[in-house]
Amino acid sequence: GQNIDQPTEMTATEGAIVQINCTYQTSGFNGLFWYQQHAGEAPTFLSYNVLDGLEEKGRFSSFLSRSKGYSYLLLKELQMKDSASYLCAERTGGFKTIFGAGTRLFVKA
Amino acid sequence: DTAVSQTPKYLVTQMGNDKSIKCEQNLGHDTMYWYKQDSKKFLKIMFSYNNKELIINETVPNRFSPKSPDKAHLNLHINSLELGDSAVYFCASSLGHTIYFGEGSWLTVV
Repeated sequence: GQNIDQPTEMTATEGAIVQINCTYQTSGFNGLFWYQQHAGEAPTFLSYNVLDGLEEKGRFSSFLSRSKGYSYLLLKELQMKDSASYLCAERTGGFKTIFGAGTRLFVKA
Repeated sequence: DTAVSQTPKYLVTQMGNDKSIKCEQNLGHDTMYWYKQDSKKFLKIMFSYNNKELIINETVPNRFSPKSPDKAHLNLHINSLELGDSAVYFCASSLGHTIYFGEGSWLTVV
């Protein structure tokens, strides 16, 4: 987790849009993941970016800039069930996936 | 039809004991992992096996010993448990780049 930085916590309102940023170490980069983890549950796969640009999947989109070592996860039309931790993870040249500490998102009514 | 299943889900044990966590995946994946998630929520890789061969072995005390009898199973044995071993241990598997996690095993050492 030491190579990946993301905010510890964020709060947003139901129906709004929230962007969770992540910066990572660029050497040995092989792809960038976002996982969702609800409290007491296993992480579940959300997205994988290997090329620059925005990938949209329903209410969730993920962006990657390899030159900047930067990614974000965009959540639209927030729902209460989106309250969870969002883990940014980097796949490295050794085919190891390194996870950040996660951003806890609180969605309020 | 659980894809990655691990047992037990909860384990409370005393310091110094030896315990095992079992993991099985029915996804046909070649690679399996053990991750540890501590109280600060960092998810750290411990071990990875590909077709029963160890390919990743992070800096983990040698009290932790993984065993992969076949590519669908990866068990974790822990000797002489310490208080600091208390964490959630996630088994996982992958075929390509995406990792699929089991439900987790909550280990508490008292």
